[in-house]
Parts: sequence; C-alpha cells; structure tokens
Amino acid sequence: QVQLQESGPGQVKPSQTLSLTCSVSGDSITSGHYYWNWVRQPAGKRLEWVGRLDTRGTINYNPSLNNRVTMSADTSKNQFSLRLSSVTAADTAVYYCARGEVVSHVFDIWGQGTVVSVSP
Amino acid sequence: DVVMTQSPDSLAVSLGERATINCKSSQNLFYSSNNRNYLAWYQQKPGQPPKLLIYWASVRGSGVPDRFSGSGSGTDFTLTISSLQAEDVAVYYCQQYYTTYSFGQGTRLEI
Repeated sequence: QVQLQESGPGQVKPSQTLSLTCSVSGDSITSGHYYWNWVRQPAGKRLEWVGRLDTRGTINYNPSLNNRVTMSADTSKNQFSLRLSSVTAADTAVYYCARGEVVSHVFDIWGQGTVVSVSP
Repeated sequence: DVVMTQSPDSLAVSLGERATINCKSSQNLFYSSNNRNYLAWYQQKPGQPPKLLIYWASVRGSGVPDRFSGSGSGTDFTLTISSLQAEDVAVYYCQQYYTTYSFGQGTRLEI
C-alpha cells in the first residue's frame, strides 16, 4: 500500500523560507511511472498546484509563485522536498504531497496534508 | 492560465436523488491527437485529502462506485451522482491537466 506523509514546521515567520518533506512508502520515487507533486489549499479556497518533479530530472513549478519554489528529491531516503522562500500570510495553507501518474497525469495518491501558518 | 469555473457553488440533494455538478474551462481541454479530454474530478471530505473519482473526463478511478459518472468535452464537463448516498456529502473539484494543473473553486454537496 502506497503512502505519502508530509512533515515540517507548522509555523513560519514572514519573509522566511518554508521547508516541507514528503516521505513515500510502498513505492519507489525512482520507479519512473510517476511525478511527485506538491499541492496547497488555503482555508476555504481552491486547491493550487505548487510543483512537481521526477527523478529523471524533470522539475516544473507553478509560474504564479514567482520563482520562490524549489523542489528536490532524496532517493536514498525515498523522499522529496519543497522550499518556498519569502513567505507571506498568503502562503498559509494545508500543504499536500501527491503522486501523479505520468500517463494519465492525475493525482492518485495523496498525503494527509500538513498545516503551515505564516505568522510573526 | 487555464481557469476552471464550477457551478453551482453549493447544492442540496435528497438521498437517492441525482446530483449534477458542472465545470467550465477557459480553454479547450480536448487533445485531438489522442482523442482525450484532460479533465479530472476529485472528492474531498472534511479533514481529508482529495480523492480521485474520474479522469479523462469519463473514466472512473479504481474502486469508485458506478453511481459516479463524468461526461462532456472541450470546455464543458459534468459530474453526475446517479443516486446520492449519505457518504457522498463532500466538496467536489474539477481539475484540468492540459496545461500543468488547475482546479475549480469546488462545489459543496449536501443532503
């Protein structure tokens, strides 16, 4: 059974960098059949795709995040990570990691999500 | 950017009745080279992550009950629940994956 689990600080100060990690079990992030994604959801708002990577070198980010996003993978730990710099209150959200199929593109497995609050 | 707009924002349906949710895309999601619409539907219950229901506009995901169906093409799509069950109370989102990814604002389904 494939499971994804987000981890990281629940609170970040404005202008600092948000850092989250997604640990994957039951599947290898190097399998080649999937993209590994971050999606966020501010309270009461729609889901917003943040970015994706695969372990062959493809990385894509949401242009609306103005080059503040960096994603990376640690294949030895079967994890992938998100860094979002210069955060503001608008970055307060539930952050989900999700597995996306390369063929169908849809997100078939999601983590439970982690709440990140940006506050002084 | 591809903007996804759902209607209605909320919907109340009686148990056993049909529920219909609409989704409109700001651009065509049909890719003629493979004859597919790049549109998915997700269900999200309180405190849970979204769950994939439908992809390629009309293909049910693994384990999804057959009372859920998707239809439409191009820019206009519909999710139909043929006979509403109590466990279907949730927020439903459409998602396009023609150009990266974007989601609708969600439709809250209540009994």
